[in-house]
Amino acid sequence: AQSVAQPEDQVNVAEGNPLTVKCTYSVSGNPYLFWYVQYPNRGLQFLLKYITGDNLVKGSYGFEAEFNKSQTSFHLKKPSALVSDSALYFCAVSRPTPNKFYFGSGTKLNVKP
Amino acid sequence: GAGVSQTPSNKVTEKGKYVELRCDPISGHTALYWYRQSLGQGPEFLIYFQGTGAADDSGLPNDRFFAVRPEGSVSTLKIQRTERGDSAVYLCASSPGQPNEQFFGPGTRLTVL
Repeated sequence: AQSVAQPEDQVNVAEGNPLTVKCTYSVSGNPYLFWYVQYPNRGLQFLLKYITGDNLVKGSYGFEAEFNKSQTSFHLKKPSALVSDSALYFCAVSRPTPNKFYFGSGTKLNVKP
Repeated sequence: GAGVSQTPSNKVTEKGKYVELRCDPISGHTALYWYRQSLGQGPEFLIYFQGTGAADDSGLPNDRFFAVRPEGSVSTLKIQRTERGDSAVYLCASSPGQPNEQFFGPGTRLTVL
């Protein structure tokens, strides 16, 4: 069965510190990997994606993510967290065929001043 | 430019009633997705359209749920004989096609009393 796991319901970091939000997946074949962010009362917004190529991808708002095929992981990172990064983060995976997306359960990021 | 829009933003109905939820995708996007998001959960795939046809409807929970996209643009999710367990936020997303990211609408919050 295809699945995406975000093992942490919540991540707490202090402003200025690095942050990591974890994601592992179980999808056959070569997956496409995505991160989305959801602010309160707002729709999901795309942050970044991995399709192929360099394992480290950079996205919006200074976020980056590293694809690790052997560990089937795609962790989201940022070198220096901002209070405004506080939101709900979702990892998503799809396969080339069929074009069906699987989302994780989400991780709430709290950045304290 | 205009993003994905969904109407209504909120819908309250009584158990057993019929509801329709509408999605207007970004112009030119060939792929359209419907998801259901319950509190504290990630989006759950319902159905995916490529053009006018449903390419994958494996996520529809039962035959009370049906979706159409007759002209390859606007889509309507239809729920018959609503049940309290149908209460959730229904999300629509569109995409120009693989391997691109999805663009999400703000969602329709459905409450079945």
